[in-house]
Amino acid sequence: AQSVTQPDIHITVSEGASLELRCNYSYGATPYLFWYVQSPGQGLQLLLKYFSGDTLVQGIKGFEAEFKRSQSSFNLRKPSVHWSDAAEYFCAVGPGTYKYIFGTGTRLKVLA
Amino acid sequence: DVKVTQSSRYLVKRTGEKVFLECVQDMDHENMFWYRQDPGLGLRLIYFSYDVKMKEKGDIPEGYSVSREKKERFSLILESASTNQTSMYLCASTEQGSSGANVLTFGAGSRLTVL
Repeated sequence: AQSVTQPDIHITVSEGASLELRCNYSYGATPYLFWYVQSPGQGLQLLLKYFSGDTLVQGIKGFEAEFKRSQSSFNLRKPSVHWSDAAEYFCAVGPGTYKYIFGTGTRLKVLA
Repeated sequence: DVKVTQSSRYLVKRTGEKVFLECVQDMDHENMFWYRQDPGLGLRLIYFSYDVKMKEKGDIPEGYSVSREKKERFSLILESASTNQTSMYLCASTEQGSSGANVLTFGAGSRLTVL
């Protein structure tokens, strides 16, 4: 079955520390992969996407993600977290024009 | 930038009421979606539409219906609201394109409470 797993429900980091949010997927073909961020009370905003090519993709707000086919992973990273990064992060797989599968989200808390 | 506008940010309704959630996008996108977001469950697709008057059921369509009379507008209808429909509802749209390569653009969400 197609699925996306975000194993960490909550993550707390100190401001200025590095961040890695994990995402694993199960899909039978080459996936299209996305990371979205949701600030409190808001909709989801695209951080970055991977369709093909270079497996390290850069996104907005200093985020990057690396596609590792052998590990079925698409982890999100940021070298230095800012307090404004506190939000909920969703990984998603887009296997088709209409069907997008979302993970359950990781809520990031940033300590001053 | 594409804008997806959900007219009602917060609604409080009573059990049994008919509820309309409206969504409008301004970039001539063919595809529109309604998701439900609940803590620990992520986003679940209720319905989507790929053209005017066309709709397809998503993963959790029970208790919901939709209407798409104009390309820019996609409405979610709760015929008889129940307390288990208390949730955040997110509308999104994408343009027609190569399979899987479309990016969802989301509205700000409508938080519905059913008492």
